[in-house]
Amino acid sequence: EVQLVESGGGLVQPGRSLRLSCTASGFTFGDYPMSWVRQPPGKGLEWVGFIRSKPYGGTTEYAASVKGRFTISRDDSKSIAYLQMNSLKTEDTAVYYCTRDNGGSYSRYFDSWGQGTLVTVSS
Amino acid sequence: QSALTQPASVSGSPGQSITISCTGTSSDVGSYNLVSWYQQHPGKAPKLMIYEVSKRPSGVSNRFSASKSGNTASLTISGLQADDEADYYCCSYAGSSTFVVFGGGTKLTVL
Repeated sequence: EVQLVESGGGLVQPGRSLRLSCTASGFTFGDYPMSWVRQPPGKGLEWVGFIRSKPYGGTTEYAASVKGRFTISRDDSKSIAYLQMNSLKTEDTAVYYCTRDNGGSYSRYFDSWGQGTLVTVSS
Repeated sequence: QSALTQPASVSGSPGQSITISCTGTSSDVGSYNLVSWYQQHPGKAPKLMIYEVSKRPSGVSNRFSASKSGNTASLTISGLQADDEADYYCCSYAGSSTFVVFGGGTKLTVL
């Protein structure tokens, strides 16, 4: 059974940093790209970013709203994906979901989701 | 404002059918057969219901079907059940620049 467990969320002040982790199990992590999707309280889903698997270069793509501030990385030996969030803004407040992407060099669809972790950016 | 346009809400009675539209552009929905649909119950993570326009993952009821015409994708739920009451989101690959776009979501109410 595919499982994705996010951790690292919490309350953080504007301008500060936070790193989220997504620990995967139940599948060969290194074979899949991963995406992060967020959902502000009471609002819709927003794609945040994507990291390719190593066979596709392990490169990343980001939404315009986070490009230059957020960085996605992966440690295939530990089956963990990370979302490093810098220069946080109040509008980054959201539940952050880790997803398994069924794509290759591009995103196709998100076939498994974690339970989400809440990030609150506030002074 | 979301990149893909969905109606804010739809409703139907048990046993009826409803359709949710998802309108994009020639840069996303119209260019790629990579439209997916997600169901989200309150307080829960989204769940994949449809991928690649019209394919159902294993375990998803065949009461859920979907299609695409031009820049608009559609999700149809037949034989509405109480548990279908949820938010539904469409999503599309949007090319190397924008990459992925979601719709704003549609709240389905089963009357």
